[in-house]
Formats: sequence, structure tokens, C-alpha cells
Amino acid sequence: NAGVTQTPKFRVLKTGQSMTLLCAQDMNHEYMYWYRQDPGMGLRLIHYSVGEGTTAKGEVPDGYNVSRLKKQNFLLGLESAAPSQTSVYFCASSLAGGPYEQFFGPGTRLTVL
Amino acid sequence: AQRVTQPEKLLSVFKGAPVELKCNYSYSGSPELFWYVQYSRQRLQLLLRHISRESIKGFTADLNKGETSFHLKKPFAQEEDSAMYYCALRAISGTDKLIFGTGTRLQVFP
Repeated sequence: NAGVTQTPKFRVLKTGQSMTLLCAQDMNHEYMYWYRQDPGMGLRLIHYSVGEGTTAKGEVPDGYNVSRLKKQNFLLGLESAAPSQTSVYFCASSLAGGPYEQFFGPGTRLTVL
Repeated sequence: AQRVTQPEKLLSVFKGAPVELKCNYSYSGSPELFWYVQYSRQRLQLLLRHISRESIKGFTADLNKGETSFHLKKPFAQEEDSAMYYCALRAISGTDKLIFGTGTRLQVFP
């Protein structure tokens, strides 16, 4: 099993450009999450999903949109990138019920110039 | 409001020294607490959870509800313990979100 994978690993954007980050998991997890990791601020939740077709806002949702059309995929979109969105983005997933644990992807390093 | 505080950004110790990474939380109900670790060039992974009351890689953490703390301890640090450590809280109220602290970088010198 690959676990949680993220595409791409690195990306450089110019201000105003758009892009989509893809997260995929092969563990049949119901819940998926998008975080951003910034120095001195830890991990902050952007959006999350508790099931296919559902999404909800996290702590820092502004400037991002998400979609969960398939259970195994969770997409994070930036419609008009800003330098403040320069960060490392992590996707995670977890199983509904049972001992709670979030499984993380390897991260995507995004730079917005 | 739910909050997790890790007061130390960096903790440096020598190999064999005891380690304590501090974590305090604020939550009015019964929380579920976790420690996650991120080694260099690796993904974030669960280290331990308070419910399991386990010791992983020599690390332990006890939930102290009176002091609202969940400090991570290890009696003898090893160089391979060098990593970023995050304390996280999950509210036991039907939510499935984690609130992370800002993290503490542990450096263990030889």
C-alpha cells in the first residue's frame, strides 16, 4: 500500500496563478484533511472532509477550495495564488471509528513569487 | 476554545541526557492527546497517544488533567531522536479534527 500520496512534490507559482494539489489514499479512509505547515506556526487545518462529496472549513480556509468527488481523492485548489500561500502543504487521512490516527502524506512545497 | 501550547521552539540536549518536551492544552471537556513526530525528510507520523498509555522508542507521556499538560519524556536521549515533535488534541465530541501545537524541534548532540 502506498498510503497517502501527494502530487506534486514541489511547485513554484507566480502571484495570481492557479493550481490544484492532489491527495490520494488507498486505505479506504473516510476522513481526509489538508494542512499547511509554516515555521513557528505548526500545522494549521485548511479544509477537511468526512466523506465523499462533503467538505468543511478548517482554521485557515481563505484563498483555498477543496473537492472530494471520490473517496480516495481530496483536491486542494488555489484560484489566485498569493505570496502568503507559500508553505508546505500536507494531506492526511483517518479511519472513522477505532483508535484515532491521522496518516500523513509526504508534503508539497509551494512557493508563490 | 481548544488550544495546544508548546512553549519551546527548540530543545537541545546531549546524548544520554533526559528530555522533556512540554505540552499544555486548553479544552473544557475530555480531550484525547497525541504526540506526532517528523524526522528529517520523513512524513509526520504518530508517536504515541495518551489513551494507549504506551512507551514508544523510550518515550512516555502522561495526561495531567489538573495541570492540563501532556509532556513527552525520555530518560536518555539518543541522536536518532532529533526531530520535530508536535503535540495534538482531539476533542472527544464527535469531531475528527486535530488541533496541533506549534512544534518543538529536538536536537540531540553526540
